[in-house]
Amino acid sequence: AQRVTQPEKLLSVFKGAPVELKCNYSYSGSPELFWYVQYSRQRLQLLLRHISRESIKGFTADLNKGETSFHLKKPFAQEEDSAMYYCALTRTGNQFYFGTGTSLTVIP
Amino acid sequence: ETGVTQSPTHLIKTRGQQVTLRCSSQSGHNTVSWYQQALGQGPQFIFQYYREEENGRGNFPPRFSGLQFPNYSSELNVNALELDDSALYLCASTPGGGRASYNEQFFGPGTRLTVL
Repeated sequence: AQRVTQPEKLLSVFKGAPVELKCNYSYSGSPELFWYVQYSRQRLQLLLRHISRESIKGFTADLNKGETSFHLKKPFAQEEDSAMYYCALTRTGNQFYFGTGTSLTVIP
Repeated sequence: ETGVTQSPTHLIKTRGQQVTLRCSSQSGHNTVSWYQQALGQGPQFIFQYYREEENGRGNFPPRFSGLQFPNYSSELNVNALELDDSALYLCASTPGGGRASYNEQFFGPGTRLTVL
């Protein structure tokens, strides 16, 4: 079974502090991994994907195949980063698995 | 570009009834995926359509079915509604081919279904 686990439902950090949102997955192959974000009163949107190796809004995510993790990191959290974050996985592009999400609150 | 739209916004049905939810994908997006999101949970993949054919399916029973039309619109049909079907239903369109692993999914705002 392919599963995505986000162990933290809620995460609060102070503005300017580093933030890490955890994502672990269980899959023996080479999946493609994504982070999606949902800001208040907005729809779900792509934040970043592993294959692009991009840094979006200061966020990065490193795929660790040994630990089967794809944690999302940002060195200095901003108030506008407060949102719901979902880690997602696909192997073939025609079936996707999302985690349960982590609600991030950045305290001013 | 108007983005992905869904209708209706909200819907209330009773157990045993049938429901049809609609999605209009972005122009040129050949792939559409449907998700069920229960309260406090992440989106659960129902199925994906590419060029009007089912292209992938999650762990949902056959009473969940879909259609995709040439004009980039699609439907999710659910028969014999159960209380547990109460959820937010999201559609997401993707540009490009069927196995669009690396392409961004563009989500609609969702339809909130309540089954009484």
